[in-house]
Amino acid sequence: EVQLAESGGGLVQPGGSLRLSCAASGFTFSSYWMSWVRQAPGKGLEWVANIKEDGSVKYYMDSVRGRFTISRDNAKNSLYLQMNSLRGEDTAVYYCARESSGWRWGQGILVTVSS
Amino acid sequence: DIVMTQTPLSSPVTLGQPASISCRSSHSLVHSDGNTYMSWLHQRPGQPPRLLIYQISIRFFGVPDRFSGSGAGTDFTLKISRVEPEDVGVYYCMQATHFPYSFGQGTKLQIK
Repeated sequence: EVQLAESGGGLVQPGGSLRLSCAASGFTFSSYWMSWVRQAPGKGLEWVANIKEDGSVKYYMDSVRGRFTISRDNAKNSLYLQMNSLRGEDTAVYYCARESSGWRWGQGILVTVSS
Repeated sequence: DIVMTQTPLSSPVTLGQPASISCRSSHSLVHSDGNTYMSWLHQRPGQPPRLLIYQISIRFFGVPDRFSGSGAGTDFTLKISRVEPEDVGVYYCMQATHFPYSFGQGTKLQIK
């Protein structure tokens, strides 16, 4: 069974940093593109970034490019999102997702940016 | 960037009656590989999104056959043949053909 478990969320002050992790199991992690998608409280879904199977290609949404870094460790079946210079508008539930014809989603982890 | 526009944004429906949600993209979602990476998701309050339909019309594992997807190019539709109580929540269309990927605003399905 495909499982994706996010961790590392919490409360951080504006300008601070946080690193999210996503532990994958139940599939061959190194064979899939992976994405981070977020959802601000009471709002819709917003794609944040993704990374190719081998980590060689990465894409970001405009508002996080230069502040967020997506990475992966295929030996550990793990996906990461390093978030720096955090702003209030980054407050959201962050979902890890496996890309494929049928996307699979984690349960999500809350990140709150507030003083 | 591709803009995904859903209509309606709110849909009150009667149990057992059909429901339909439309999604229009600002550009064709046909990928260079010939596939159209357009999906429908369902989200209940406090829950992660759940995939219903992918590549326009393919139902995901375990999705009841009362859900169906159709369309092509820029215009897509999700239909529920007979609404059940568990169908309430927000429905999103999503495109993963072009970067950045994008979602519709969401359509809230409520029972009358």
